[in-house]
Amino acid sequence: AQSVTQLDSQVPVFEEAPVELRCNYSSSVSVYLFWYVQYPNQGLQLLLKYLSGSTLVKGINGFEAEFNKSQTSFHLRKPSVHISDTAEYFCAVAQPRAGTALIFGKGTTLSVSS
Amino acid sequence: SQTIHQWPATLVQPVGSPLSLECTVEGTSNPNLYWYRQAAGRGLQLLFYSIGIDQISSEVPQNLSASRPQDRQFILSSKKLLLSDSGFYLCANQGVSYGYTFGSGTRLTVV
Repeated sequence: AQSVTQLDSQVPVFEEAPVELRCNYSSSVSVYLFWYVQYPNQGLQLLLKYLSGSTLVKGINGFEAEFNKSQTSFHLRKPSVHISDTAEYFCAVAQPRAGTALIFGKGTTLSVSS
Repeated sequence: SQTIHQWPATLVQPVGSPLSLECTVEGTSNPNLYWYRQAAGRGLQLLFYSIGIDQISSEVPQNLSASRPQDRQFILSSKKLLLSDSGFYLCANQGVSYGYTFGSGTRLTVV
């Protein structure tokens, strides 16, 4: 079975500051990794995903994440955040096979203030 | 591209009443479909998934059931709602290259 731990439930930052949202996973098999963003009362939007290849993955809205197999981590970063980045962020894993479901962490609320 | 439609967007139901939430998918055939529930502070919990018509797997035993009467239709139901069924319900599809797509969700409040 897989599990995902998002180490921070809330992250407050000032506008234009850098941010890192931490994610660790546990799995006995190889997994694919994902970050999703959710704005209030909306569905989830994919920010980026790691399936294979380069461990540094670039996504939408200036976000990037690095897959670290030895530390079983997939932290999300952005060098300079905007007010509009305020949202909830979810890290997720899935087994690399058809029909598999995403398993999510509990989420991190990013609050950007001016 | 794939689109997932969910309705209604919000719903307030009394305890003990029935529930039916519908999810339909456009832009693909034979989709793998999922129902998730999001409760405050608990992340997204996988409730059911389906790899085909009438093929439903339940992840968590509870007061809910799911059905897939057509290829691109996935329905979440309950005969008698409990207060603990309140939450934000999301339908999702596994697309090409593991591009999971989510619907806009249904906010259910049981009173």
